[in-house]
Amino acid sequence: NAGVTQTPKFRVLKTGQSMTLLCAQDMNHEYMYWYRQDPGMGLRLIHYSVGEGTTAKGEVPDGYNVSRLKKQNFLLGLESAAPSQTSVYFCASRSPGGTMFFGSGTQLSVL
Amino acid sequence: AQSVAQPEDQVNVAEGNPLTVKCTYSVSGNPYLFWYVQYPNRGLQFLLKYITGDNLVKGSYGFEAEFNKSQTSFHLKKPSALVSDSALYFCAVRAQNRDDKIIFGKGTRLHILP
Repeated sequence: NAGVTQTPKFRVLKTGQSMTLLCAQDMNHEYMYWYRQDPGMGLRLIHYSVGEGTTAKGEVPDGYNVSRLKKQNFLLGLESAAPSQTSVYFCASRSPGGTMFFGSGTQLSVL
Repeated sequence: AQSVAQPEDQVNVAEGNPLTVKCTYSVSGNPYLFWYVQYPNRGLQFLLKYITGDNLVKGSYGFEAEFNKSQTSFHLKKPSALVSDSALYFCAVRAQNRDDKIIFGKGTRLHILP
């Protein structure tokens, strides 16, 4: 009964390094989302996917790329990390009824 | 464009008193509205949703919310607050004719005082 699983939970990067955040869901949901959460800013949508092989930009897509090669996985990549990307990242999937299921988050620090 | 406003950054309520967390929205067409709660170091958890029908929606942990179309509001309420209700609450909206994007408010921190 895993739901939505995010890895890693914590990561520290140096400016310019790259990394990939992995999100996996076992509920067979079509829709998946990546958000970032910053103090006073709430949740901001980075990218989302409406099905396997599809991706689309959200509110704050710059500096991020995503891929949805398999229905259950949604990957978020940072090609060249910047301090402004220090944040908590949440992945979510959405049921046909509209309810969102969130992972427990990834705390990323870029030094 | 879709938007959600939660006008209060923080709400303080004494335990046992009723609580209200405010939310207003803007969408084209009919809205789907949601409330989520976030406890420290956790992801968001679903509380309740309005899709259609009765304007008063009941959800988890004794929470309810009232949809008011004329005021474009969807305030979260609970008759008697518990200390354990202290958390960060998010309102979210999706337009009925937009099946993809869900937009969240900035969140309201609820403090229940013992």
